[in-house]
Amino acid sequence: SQELEQSPQSLIVQEGKNLTINCTSSKTLYGLYWYKQKYGEGLIFLMMLQKGGEEKSHEKITAKLDEKKQQSSLHITASQPSHAGIYLCGADDSGAGSYQLTFGKGTKLSVIP
Amino acid sequence: ETGVTQSPTHLIKTRGQQVTLRCSSQSGHNTVSWYQQALGQGPQFIFQYYREEENGRGNFPPRFSGLQFPNYSSELNVNALELDDSALYLCASSLDPWTGSTDTQYFGPGTRLTVL
Repeated sequence: SQELEQSPQSLIVQEGKNLTINCTSSKTLYGLYWYKQKYGEGLIFLMMLQKGGEEKSHEKITAKLDEKKQQSSLHITASQPSHAGIYLCGADDSGAGSYQLTFGKGTKLSVIP
Repeated sequence: ETGVTQSPTHLIKTRGQQVTLRCSSQSGHNTVSWYQQALGQGPQFIFQYYREEENGRGNFPPRFSGLQFPNYSSELNVNALELDDSALYLCASSLDPWTGSTDTQYFGPGTRLTVL
């Protein structure tokens, strides 16, 4: 099975600042998912990327999957306190659309007003 | 709201006991996956059920077992509980796997299990 490494492990930013979270895989990524989790709660789906070079945006969050499909980044523009939480990347471990995901350990984001 | 519910919210058990956790999937979702999330870690895939049959399993021992019912509900059973089983247990429902769909799986809020 593949492993996903997220960096940084934690991040503290001032409100209004931009930030980037990275997710690197030991193998080619078939499907890469980004989720957000409030402490001790369920995961909220943000975006899914499948194709090399793909980029998706929703509100102030943009996610990219590099051409070689082994790394993804999540970029937040003009961060707000509502962006605080744990960001998790997950990858299909048994082929695209298997829904059997391997997750990284998460990046804890704090936004200071 | 994801339309996926789990019960109970919290549970405390002692080592050696057995526990059953329940999940109600989104209507129409015939695939359910269960994950274990230890404190400070990402979720780990336990197993997946598709149309009431086990459809894939992660690196978990046989004392972790499951059931899926035709009414979009499912169960996770853990026998002979160990201290390391203390974790947040998440279920996630989705459409048929391997269809090439760009949809995702939708997670429930989780059950927090503490083993003493």
